[in-house]
Amino acid sequence: NAGVTQTPKFRVLKTGQSMTLLCAQDMNHEYMYWYRQDPGMGLRLIHYSVGEGTTAKGEVPDGYNVSRLKKQNFLLGLESAAPSQTSVYFCASIDRPHPNYGYTFGSGTRLTVV
Amino acid sequence: EDQVTQSPEALRLQEGESSSLNCSYTVSGLRGLFWYRQDPGKGPEFLFTLYSAGEEKEKERLKATLTKKESFLHITAPKPEDSATYLCAVQARNSGNTPLVFGKGTRLSVIA
Repeated sequence: NAGVTQTPKFRVLKTGQSMTLLCAQDMNHEYMYWYRQDPGMGLRLIHYSVGEGTTAKGEVPDGYNVSRLKKQNFLLGLESAAPSQTSVYFCASIDRPHPNYGYTFGSGTRLTVV
Repeated sequence: EDQVTQSPEALRLQEGESSSLNCSYTVSGLRGLFWYRQDPGKGPEFLFTLYSAGEEKEKERLKATLTKKESFLHITAPKPEDSATYLCAVQARNSGNTPLVFGKGTRLSVIA
């Protein structure tokens, strides 16, 4: 049982290049989330999904797109990368609200845009 | 707008020196308040959920408490392995599974 797996773990992009970050979970969770974490800013929500085929915008969605074609996968796309998108990206998932557990997070993708 | 403020930003303790971390929040109806631990280079790891004022939860040397405006994470006789960043998050009571709003965290260092 791997939990939440993010690929790649590290990536360096040039300004203007595009890429897709993949989040895969094997827990049959309904809800999935993409956050970015920057020094001094904490975790900020980019986009999220409440089920297969659904997506919604979070706090900082500009410059990103997402897709949830399969329940287990949540993709985050950068169409034209900018230095301001240099960050650590975390994916998280949860099945339903429960008092004894919270989101399960992946180990993150460290992205540098030069 | 839901907001979470954590203090202090950083805390340095001697091994065995007990202390508390603070999380103050404003939210349009609290569904739950969450505490996470994050080690360097890793994703956050769930610790506790608190749902109502007066509720307390414990795990080893950690105890989380909740009032109507803030939560405290009490660390009793900490050890070096408790060094990490502790994150607080709130979930508003809206329909569906509203995403968590996180604070910026408290970076805890426990010195042997």
